[in-house]
This record gives sequence, C-alpha cells and structure tokens, in this order.
Amino acid sequence: DIQMTQSPSSVSASVGDRVTITCRASQGISSWLAWYQQKPGKAPKLLISAASSLQSGVPSRFSGSGSGTDFTLSISSLQPEDFATYYCQQANSFPRTFGQGTKVEIK
Amino acid sequence: EVQLVESGGGLVQPGGSLRLSCAASGFTFSPYSMNWVRQAPGKGLECISYLSGNSKTIYYANSVKGRFTISRDNAKNSLYLQMNSLRDEDTAVYYCARNTAAPSGGMDVWGQGTTVTVSS
Repeated sequence: DIQMTQSPSSVSASVGDRVTITCRASQGISSWLAWYQQKPGKAPKLLISAASSLQSGVPSRFSGSGSGTDFTLSISSLQPEDFATYYCQQANSFPRTFGQGTKVEIK
Repeated sequence: EVQLVESGGGLVQPGGSLRLSCAASGFTFSPYSMNWVRQAPGKGLECISYLSGNSKTIYYANSVKGRFTISRDNAKNSLYLQMNSLRDEDTAVYYCARNTAAPSGGMDVWGQGTTVTVSS
C-alpha cells in the first residue's frame, strides 16, 4: 500500500495568514492526489483533485501543487471558515490511502 | 440535488453482522464507481472498499478483507456494505462516497455518514 504522510500534524494560524500543508507519498503517484477539508461532525469535502485542479465552488485562495511524491496545499489568506482538518489522498492505486490529517487551528 | 444517504448503522456485539445501505439521488448512479470510507472516533479517514460502476472491479482494505462485502444495485441506485465478524476496531462512522467521473480524480460526493458501534 502507498503510505501518505502529511506535515505538520497541526498548525496554529491567524485570519489572513498564508498556510501551507505538505503531503508525501511513499512512492510516485504522478498527479493523482486529492485534498479534502473536514469540519467536526461533517463529511469530508473535496477541494482539489489531480493535485492542482480546484473543484467548482471552492474559493480561489486554495491551491494545490506537486507531482510524483511531494505535494502541497496552500491557503493564501486564511478565513474563519477555513479552520478545519485537511487530508490528502492518493488516487493512483488501490487501496486508496489518506494522509493522517492536518488540523488548522486558530492562533 | 446530488445526494448520498447512508443507513443501517447501529450497536452490534463483537462477532455480529450489519448491512449498511447508501441511497443515491440527483445523478445517474450506474456509471460512477463508489467507495466506503470509515473514520474511527478521533481518527483519520480509511477507504475500506471500492466498487466500479459495473461491479466488475472490487477492492478491499486488508483490515476488512474476508469479512466485508461491497455490492450495488444500479436499478435501485443503491450501494451496500455487508459487514460480518465485526470487531471492536470496526467502530467508526461509515461514509459512502462517489468517485469523480474523471479517472483517479478523488471522491466528490459524500453521504452524511452512519455510525457503527461494536461493543459487548
């Protein structure tokens, strides 16, 4: 199975800050990576697919980049509604695997 | 409205069985591959099973292989998960999730989840 490792596990930030989350795959996955946002008690929401393709309706302050084994999710100017847990997921092979999550908390 | 609604969760004793259902609406169900994803209390996400639109391709995580069975009825717009030989560690919220139409694009529609508690 492909292991996905996110860093950091948590980050404290203020409204307006730029936040960057990294995700590393244990082997190359081309650009087959998705990012999700999950708020407490809610289902995950797909933000980005194919490493950098923003889903319809997702604010442009979210962006993704990377290929191969190293990927990043950036939030250019953190808004109050962005405080949540973020997960990466590889979509290259089965079983699909997720990173352990990064919690973005209010500073 | 595109929607997935899970049902069938509940409290079950270790070694017991449960069948989860996921009802799809607002889109043409049959072409889409589907997943079951679970989240144990306070933990991350685990994709435990995948099923293609025509039911010809199936995958299971090692943690459930041999105990869980995924299936679908495209005529009823429904996805199922038969869970047997349940263990304490199967306690989780179980989500059904649709894969994007594009290959390897992620899971773009999720249900609200159904809670399974395995305990004596």
